[in-house]
Amino acid sequence: AQKVTQAQTEISVVEKEDVTLDCVYETRDTTYYLFWYKQPPSGELVFLIRRNSFDEQNEISGRYSWNFQKSTSSFNFTITASQVVDSAVYFCALRGGATNKLIFGTGTLLAVQP
Amino acid sequence: DAEITQSPRHKITETGRQVTLACHQTWNHNNMFWYRQDLGHGLRLIHYSYGVHDTNKGEVSDGYSVSRSNTEDLPLTLESAASSQTSVYFCASSEGQLMNTEAFFGQGTRLTVV
Repeated sequence: AQKVTQAQTEISVVEKEDVTLDCVYETRDTTYYLFWYKQPPSGELVFLIRRNSFDEQNEISGRYSWNFQKSTSSFNFTITASQVVDSAVYFCALRGGATNKLIFGTGTLLAVQP
Repeated sequence: DAEITQSPRHKITETGRQVTLACHQTWNHNNMFWYRQDLGHGLRLIHYSYGVHDTNKGEVSDGYSVSRSNTEDLPLTLESAASSQTSVYFCASSEGQLMNTEAFFGQGTRLTVV
C-alpha cells in the first residue's frame, strides 16, 4: 500500500524566516515519483516539483529547495526567507506501481505573517 | 492554451438527488482523476481512468460513479447525494502511463448537499 504522511498540520512563521515542510512516504515499489503541490488561498493546485526514486540529488529553485532521502523515506521542502505570498496549503504526493495512482498527503497549512 | 475545466464551480443540491460534475480537458491526456478535498483528509482519490472506456475505483468511491466515453471528459456522478458528500471536488489529468508526468488540476467544484 502507498501512503504519504505530512505530520505538520499547520505552521506559522514570520516573514523572512526559513521553514521546512516534512513529507514521509511509504511504498513497496522500487520505481516511484514524488511531487509537491501548492494550494494558495484562491484554491487552485499548482505543481511545484517532481522527483523520481532513482535521483536523490537535492534541488534548489530560487527560495525553494527539496531534500529527498530514500533511507528515511522523506521528501522535505524548505522555503528560505519566507514571504507572505508563500502562505498556502502544501501537499506532498506519491505516484508509483502498476496502478499509477497519485496519492496525496493531508497537507500542511503554512501561514507567513508580515 | 490547453486547459482543464470543471463545471459548475459551485453547486447546492438536496439529499437524495443525482448530481453530475463535469470535467473537460484539452490536453489530450489519457489519465484523468477525481479527488475530493476535506479538512484533515487532504485530497482523496475517488475514481480514475487511463483512457476511453476505462474506469477504476479509488479509495473513496462509494456513492460515486464515472464514465469515460471520450478522451476529453470524465463526468463524476453522485447517484444519491448525501450530506457526507459535501466537499470540494477536483478533477485532474496527466499524460499517458508515465509516472513522471505531473497532474494538472481543474479549479475545483464546491458541492454542498443540504
